[in-house]
Amino acid sequence: GEDVEQSLFLSVREGDSSVINCTYTDSSSTYLYWYKQEPGAGLQLLTYIFSNMDMKQDQRLTVLLNKKDKHLSLRIADTQTGDSAIYFCAEMADSGGGADGLTFGKGTHLIIQP
Amino acid sequence: DSGVTQTPKHLITATGQRVTLRCSPRSGDLSVYWYQQSLDQGLQFLIQYYNGEERAKGNILERFSAQQFPDLHSELNLSSLELGDSALYFCASSVISGGTDTQYFGPGTRLTVL
Repeated sequence: GEDVEQSLFLSVREGDSSVINCTYTDSSSTYLYWYKQEPGAGLQLLTYIFSNMDMKQDQRLTVLLNKKDKHLSLRIADTQTGDSAIYFCAEMADSGGGADGLTFGKGTHLIIQP
Repeated sequence: DSGVTQTPKHLITATGQRVTLRCSPRSGDLSVYWYQQSLDQGLQFLIQYYNGEERAKGNILERFSAQQFPDLHSELNLSSLELGDSALYFCASSVISGGTDTQYFGPGTRLTVL
């Protein structure tokens, strides 16, 4: 079955880069997503990457995909206090008639130290 | 603001009761997804509707049901509520089902069962 794994916590100093990692098991995953959830709020889509891509950059965000190792990472450059949140990795598998719901990891709590 | 609206924001009820959660998708989106976020299970996909028809089922209990109306808004009905049903319930919408669409999440409804 599908499974997405993430570390629960990551602590970084303000101004440093944050790298949040994720591994997934479903080799038929077509799209991989990063969502951000701030306390008491909903899920905000940050970025996504198609499985035939290796990298995607969007301002301070860089997504790297290693399809062979089923490893996805999100790098946030120049981390700010406003980046403090829970970051979820999610995959959408090639449904082929099956579910198009996303499978989420448990989320990584990003803690920013001053 | 994702453009997806959910009501109510908070709901407190007792065990054995029935509640209805409402979701209005982004303008133009045909697909609606429901997710449950709880401390022990994390974020789980429940069910998806596309243009009024059920498209896919995830980990949805038999006590739960949903529908999508002609105006594309959706309702999630939870009956015979148990303490363990206390959770955040998110609705998401996308333009099409699967493929290149991405899901945009509403702010969620926090359900507390006492």
